[in-house]
Amino acid sequence: EDQVTQSPEALRLQEGESSSLNCSYTVSGLRGLFWYRQDPGKGPEFLFTLYSAGEEKEKERLKATLTKKESFLHITAPKPEDSATYLCAVLYSNYKLTFGKGTLLTVNP
Amino acid sequence: DTAVSQTPKYLVTQMGNDKSIKCEQNLGHDTMYWYKQDSKKFLKIMFSYNNKELIINETVPNRFSPKSPDKAHLNLHINSLELGDSAVYFCASRLVGEETQYFGPGTRLLVL
Repeated sequence: EDQVTQSPEALRLQEGESSSLNCSYTVSGLRGLFWYRQDPGKGPEFLFTLYSAGEEKEKERLKATLTKKESFLHITAPKPEDSATYLCAVLYSNYKLTFGKGTLLTVNP
Repeated sequence: DTAVSQTPKYLVTQMGNDKSIKCEQNLGHDTMYWYKQDSKKFLKIMFSYNNKELIINETVPNRFSPKSPDKAHLNLHINSLELGDSAVYFCASRLVGEETQYFGPGTRLLVL
């Protein structure tokens, strides 16, 4: 069964303390890897799509990278407003989007 | 400029009742989805429609019946609600040829 595993489950950072979130996936039939941000009581908000190993995308303090087995979401000098759950999802050849369980990021001022 | 909208936002009901959730998108997309997010925040696909045709139907109890009257709308009807149906239900949409799905704000269903 296709699987998406995110780590850590929760991450607490001080404002300005850079870190990375990990998303690993089973390899066969990857059509794309997606990162979403979800705030409490809201729907997932699209951040990035990555299609092939070596690809990188950036948006403000966030940078997503993709290898053949995993993706990283790097957060540089985070601010409290970056606090949210970050979801990784993989689209396999069956066109179903499979989500990981998310990483709950808390950035303390 | 709402993209994907859902009604109602909250739904509290008794076990055994029948209820519907509505979804509308104004993005011009032709594929729509229903997802369920359980108490552990795990998002799982339930159904997908493309141009009013059902294309993904996960192992969901047949008490759940999606209906798509047109490309911009996808509704979810749930019969004989059970306690375990309590969750947040998200609608999403995308354009064929593009992979990114855009999500609605969710409907929080609580079955008592």
